[in-house]
Amino acid sequence: QVTLRESGPALVKPTQTLTLTCTFSGFSLSTSGMCVSWIRQPPGKALEWLALIDWDDDKYYSTSLKTRLTISKDTSKNQVVLTMTNMDPVDTATYYCARTPPVAGTGWFDYWGQGTLVTVSS
Amino acid sequence: SYVLTQPPSVSVAPGKTARITCGGNNIGSKSVHWYQQKPGQAPVLVVYDDSDRPSGIPERFSGSNSGNTATLTISRVEAGDEADYYCQVWDSSSDHPYWVFGGGTKLTVL
Repeated sequence: QVTLRESGPALVKPTQTLTLTCTFSGFSLSTSGMCVSWIRQPPGKALEWLALIDWDDDKYYSTSLKTRLTISKDTSKNQVVLTMTNMDPVDTATYYCARTPPVAGTGWFDYWGQGTLVTVSS
Repeated sequence: SYVLTQPPSVSVAPGKTARITCGGNNIGSKSVHWYQQKPGQAPVLVVYDDSDRPSGIPERFSGSNSGNTATLTISRVEAGDEADYYCQVWDSSSDHPYWVFGGGTKLTVL
């Protein structure tokens, strides 16, 4: 049974750095072809892909946010961590982590966490 | 960057067929995936690779993709299908790959 769960602060202040952790079970990020992404959704708005890390530790970032994002993994702990620097109120959103299975050569997301709402406010 | 365009809303009566479009430049050359999102819930994959369904998704959900438009078709619409629907592609045309979502379509069941 595949599950993912996001954790992190519900509230951060402007200019602070956000650190989110995705803890997953039911699969291994050391399996060839496996990937985990971070995706966010501002209230009432569309989904936005942020970053992806694959089994080989390759990392890909949204072009518009690349300078602020870092994604990493701890395979032994079954965790993927996202840091986002210089937070702003426009970064207020629900942040999801999601899995891309090895068979998804073209990159769909088959399992999602429940999401964690992050509010940026002083 | 690659842009996916969806109509903001689609309305359909119960039992009828809903069609939600996703426009993109030569999208027919890409694989399109569709997600359903109900209020307060995480998205759920309903169609992948243009027209395949994950296990557990009813056959009423189908997809097609050609030219500049991909379409999610929901047959015999039920009240429980009311949700936001998002299309998504993986774009590898630039220096690095990235994943793109459409703006979403709110499906209202009348």
